[in-house]
Amino acid sequence: QLQLQESGPGLVKPSETLSLTCTVSGGSISSFHWSWIRQPPGKGLEWIGYISYSGSTNYSPSLKSRVTISLDTSKNQFSLKVTSVTAADTAVYYCAREGGAGTNWFDPWGQGTLVTVSS
Amino acid sequence: EIVMTQSPATLSVSPGERATLSCRASQSVGSKLAWYQQKLGQAPRLLIYGASTRATGIPGRFSGSGSGTEFTLTISSLQSEDFALYYCQQYNNWPRTFGQGTKVEIK
Repeated sequence: QLQLQESGPGLVKPSETLSLTCTVSGGSISSFHWSWIRQPPGKGLEWIGYISYSGSTNYSPSLKSRVTISLDTSKNQFSLKVTSVTAADTAVYYCAREGGAGTNWFDPWGQGTLVTVSS
Repeated sequence: EIVMTQSPATLSVSPGERATLSCRASQSVGSKLAWYQQKLGQAPRLLIYGASTRATGIPGRFSGSGSGTEFTLTISSLQSEDFALYYCQQYNNWPRTFGQGTKVEIK
């Protein structure tokens, strides 16, 4: 059974870089596609970006200039970096598998990790 | 960007009653529409994909319909565990976009 787990600092200072890792167990990261999604407190879901098993990426236009998603196949992990963060980046960050070839829904999801941007 | 609009924002339903949630896309997404359920403090869970196919383990009281720009999620007989937030999401185009959610609450 595929499982995902986010990890990373829960507190980031304004203007710094938010870095999160998603560890995949129960399957190979090289077999699927992966996404990051976030949810500000009390608000809805916002898709951040996607990375394919081959390493190609696609990002939300609103975040594209600040976001990088990468794969580490040796560790079965993928990562998210968001630069120049502000309070508006405070959210629960989820990683999720996205199927490919017309099966691009998100399933499963990690449990999520809260990142607060504050000095 | 495709804008997904869900209605109503809040739906008050008594246990055992039917709930009907709507999702509208600003342009056609074909059948590339998914529904998720989110309970307080939990990650979203996939309910429906392909507009009408139940995900593994999802009870038969959940059903999805629609295509193009108009979609519906129906919960035929609400159980206590169904009171939650529900989101639709299109995966026909980049960027992937979600509706703002419908909260199903106990009447």
